[in-house]
Amino acid sequence: EAGVAQSPRYKIIEKRQSVAFWCNPISGHATLYWYQQILGQGPKLLIQFQNNGVVDDSQLPKDRFSAERLKGVDSTLKIQPAKLEDSAVYLCASSLVQTNSPLHFGNGTRLTVT
Amino acid sequence: GENVEQHPSTLSVQEGDSAVIKCTYSDSASNYFPWYKQELGKGPQLIIDIRSNVGEKKDQRIAVTLNKTAKHFSLHITETQPEDSAVYFCAASRGYSTLTFGKGTMLLVSP
Repeated sequence: EAGVAQSPRYKIIEKRQSVAFWCNPISGHATLYWYQQILGQGPKLLIQFQNNGVVDDSQLPKDRFSAERLKGVDSTLKIQPAKLEDSAVYLCASSLVQTNSPLHFGNGTRLTVT
Repeated sequence: GENVEQHPSTLSVQEGDSAVIKCTYSDSASNYFPWYKQELGKGPQLIIDIRSNVGEKKDQRIAVTLNKTAKHFSLHITETQPEDSAVYFCAASRGYSTLTFGKGTMLLVSP
């Protein structure tokens, strides 16, 4: 089966600019996650979708981050405006079901904010 | 919320030796404990997982043990090979909650 696809792989922007990341999960996976991974740390959940509904966005900085999954398949994550501390790898993951199910990660988008 | 502590942060072994990585969790209701391997430039990949109704699980050279009373679980890799070099993450969750990850262990296997 095809894995989780993410684009772009790398992005460099200046602070206060905006950026968007795209994710296409594994076919048939209803649950989609966006994680932020700062260098040297474990992934931290930003938002979880079940189909096209938000399940958990408690750790999403909503003043600057937004995400959508309009048709319950692809998802986009946006940052506007970016700050230096947003430099990280943004990982998308999907799982077949919501409960205690293995996550399948994409290779991430490495964002550098200068 | 859940808190997962992982140690050591770095581990160097000789090829053929065993490696052990340990994690503790804070939420006694957590019941799912996966381990992920992350190679440079790639996303984490699940290598083994264990649920709270099982004390140990093995898959070839990899094993995971769980002690619910002490709230800790460990990853054991035997006969390590250079291709085992990577960053390993433990994680924990319960029910519908999302995974909480440890900070990772960088494993270096020297030939």
